[in-house]
Amino acid sequence: NAGVTQTPKFQVLKTGQSMTLQCAQDMNHNSMYWYRQDPGMGLRLIYYSASEGTTDKGEVPNGYNVSRLNKREFSLRLESAAPSQTSVYFCASRGGQSYGYTFGSGTRLTVV
Amino acid sequence: EDQVTQSPEALRLQEGESSSLNCSYTVSGLRGLFWYRQDPGKGPEFLFTLYSAGEEKEKERLKATLTKKESFLHITAPKPEDSATYLCAVQANTGNQFYFGTGTSLTVIP
Repeated sequence: NAGVTQTPKFQVLKTGQSMTLQCAQDMNHNSMYWYRQDPGMGLRLIYYSASEGTTDKGEVPNGYNVSRLNKREFSLRLESAAPSQTSVYFCASRGGQSYGYTFGSGTRLTVV
Repeated sequence: EDQVTQSPEALRLQEGESSSLNCSYTVSGLRGLFWYRQDPGKGPEFLFTLYSAGEEKEKERLKATLTKKESFLHITAPKPEDSATYLCAVQANTGNQFYFGTGTSLTVIP
């Protein structure tokens, strides 16, 4: 099925460990996004890529880095995980300025 | 500052009991207002986009409306399968970012 695929679905990290969250979309969308979702906070934008070769910071970029590997793939890296990064992470893509997002199923990350 | 507020936070309805969810927003020029449905453990699923005041969109038991300051998601004769969290988001004319509300958790009791 066409859509946005995220891996892994669950992850537990120790404080200071690093990891990369993977995201791929097969809808030929130009724009891709990384959000985190926390109780009572809503979805907050971490980084986005408006097109292949470009990335920009969102509302909460500290502690994260991203790579737009090609048009399909957009990864999110935590270099040194902190308990404050415990969250559910969603990748999304969008086909145009007036369209809504297509979201992946999320990665539930716990940092202990 | 661009902002989105949804109310109520939670809503319990009997099956067949119609109601409305509210999304109020402040944004410097609205490009679009988006409604999503989110089931537990899943990503949000796109429902509607509204672009200008007076616009309405319908899908099965759901109807979304838009004014200059708020949007309503009307649920007519809901069923238990309509239970989910409903999210509202706005996109301003400037920038590429969406601003999400914290959602309304809807429970429909058989």
